[in-house]
Amino acid sequence: DAGVTQSPTHLIKTRGQQVTLRCSPKSGHDTVSWYQQALGQGPQFIFQYYEEEERQRGNFPDRFSGHQFPNYSSELNVNALLLGDSALYLCASTKAGGAPEQYFGPGTRLTVT
Amino acid sequence: EDQVTQSPEALRLQEGESSSLNCSYTVSGLRGLFWYRQDPGKGPEFLFTLYSAGEEKEKERLKATLTKKESFLHITAPKPEDSATYLCAVHGPDASNFGNEKLTFGTGTRLTIIP
Repeated sequence: DAGVTQSPTHLIKTRGQQVTLRCSPKSGHDTVSWYQQALGQGPQFIFQYYEEEERQRGNFPDRFSGHQFPNYSSELNVNALLLGDSALYLCASTKAGGAPEQYFGPGTRLTVT
Repeated sequence: EDQVTQSPEALRLQEGESSSLNCSYTVSGLRGLFWYRQDPGKGPEFLFTLYSAGEEKEKERLKATLTKKESFLHITAPKPEDSATYLCAVHGPDASNFGNEKLTFGTGTRLTIIP
């Protein structure tokens, strides 16, 4: 049973640059959520995708955008990177109408210098 | 707005010393409370879902319980491999009538078990 996968594992970017993170959901899941986790904090919800549409969004600026593909995989894009964007970015998947628990991937560690 | 508060922030126990972690929540219309375990630098690992007051779930040395205002994660006779950060999260009202929406997390309890 393939779990949630994310790429890359680590990434170092410079302020002002743009970054794209990728996620493949757990087998059988069709809904993908993205979270940002700063050091020592709990994950913060960014947005959720289902049927290739953004269904719900947290308190994040428009610099954060996403996309979901027909195979349910997803991308998170962040433009005009700030030092404060340095964090662990987590992808979680679930199945719409199924059990509510979300399953997380290993995360992408983004460092902005 | 949904709020989750976890205590203590950090807990150090001797191997075999049982204890409990607390998760207090404020949400109008709880649809689920979740416990996760997170190892350093890794994604959270799902442990339990609780839906209603009085419900209990067990897995190995862990037992999660739920009341109308808080949840407890009891750890019995812990081992060093139980060392991790334990996160609590809630699922609030179904605002968009969609279903499985955002989780609101607490900041976690960092548990260290000393051999």
